[in-house]
Amino acid sequence: KQEVTQIPAALSVPEGENLVLNCSFTDSAIYNLQWFRQDPGKGLTSLLLIQSSQREQTSGRLNASLDKSSGRSTLYIAASQPGDSATYLCAVEGTDKLIFGTGTRLQVFP
Amino acid sequence: EAQVTQNPRYLITVTGKKLTVTCSQNMNHEYMSWYRQDPGLGLRQIYYSMNVEVTDKGDVPEGYKVSRKEKRNFPLILESPSPNQTSLYFCASSFSGTVTGELFFGEGSRLTVL
Repeated sequence: KQEVTQIPAALSVPEGENLVLNCSFTDSAIYNLQWFRQDPGKGLTSLLLIQSSQREQTSGRLNASLDKSSGRSTLYIAASQPGDSATYLCAVEGTDKLIFGTGTRLQVFP
Repeated sequence: EAQVTQNPRYLITVTGKKLTVTCSQNMNHEYMSWYRQDPGLGLRQIYYSMNVEVTDKGDVPEGYKVSRKEKRNFPLILESPSPNQTSLYFCASSFSGTVTGELFFGEGSRLTVL
C-alpha cells in the first residue's frame, strides 16, 4: 500500500530564502504527483502536476521535480515571500488512487 | 468562475441526526470525490465517483453514503452521525474519469457532531 511522507512537518524561514520541501513515496508505480497549497480554513489549490513520464514542472517561482525510481519529489520555492506561508501537500496517484502526505506547514516571516 | 461549492461550510449537529453536505461543480467534470481531513492523519478519501451513477468506496467509507444522479452534484450523506465523524470535509473534482489529473477543491465543510 502506497505511503506518502513529507519532511519536515513544519518550517519557518526569513523572507527571501530559497527553500525545498520534500515528499517521498514507497511505491514507484505512479501515474502522477501533485503539489497543493492549503491556507488555514481553506480548501486545497493545485500548484503543479507532474506526470509519471516527466521529470519536473515549473510555475513562476515554483519548481517541482520527480524521481520515480527513488520515490521522491521536491518542491523548490525561490525567493520566498510572507504570502507563501501555508501548508504544502503532495499527493501521489497510482493503483491505490490518490494518496496524500500530511503536509509541510511553512511560515515565511518578514 | 470555475468552482466547487460546498454547503454548509460549518455545521454543529447531534449524534444520530441525519445530515447532507452538498457539493456542486460548474466545470463539467466527470470525476468527483469526498475527503475528510483530520490532524495527524491528513486527507483520506471517503467516496469517489467516476461519472453519473458510478460511485465507489475510498479508504474510509463507513458511516457515509453518496449519490451521483447528475454530473454536477455529489452530495455526502451521514445517515446517523457519530462524534468520530467530527472533521473537516472537502469535495473535489477533476476533468478526467480515469486518472484523476488536476484536482479542484471546495472550501471545506467543518462538521462537529456532539
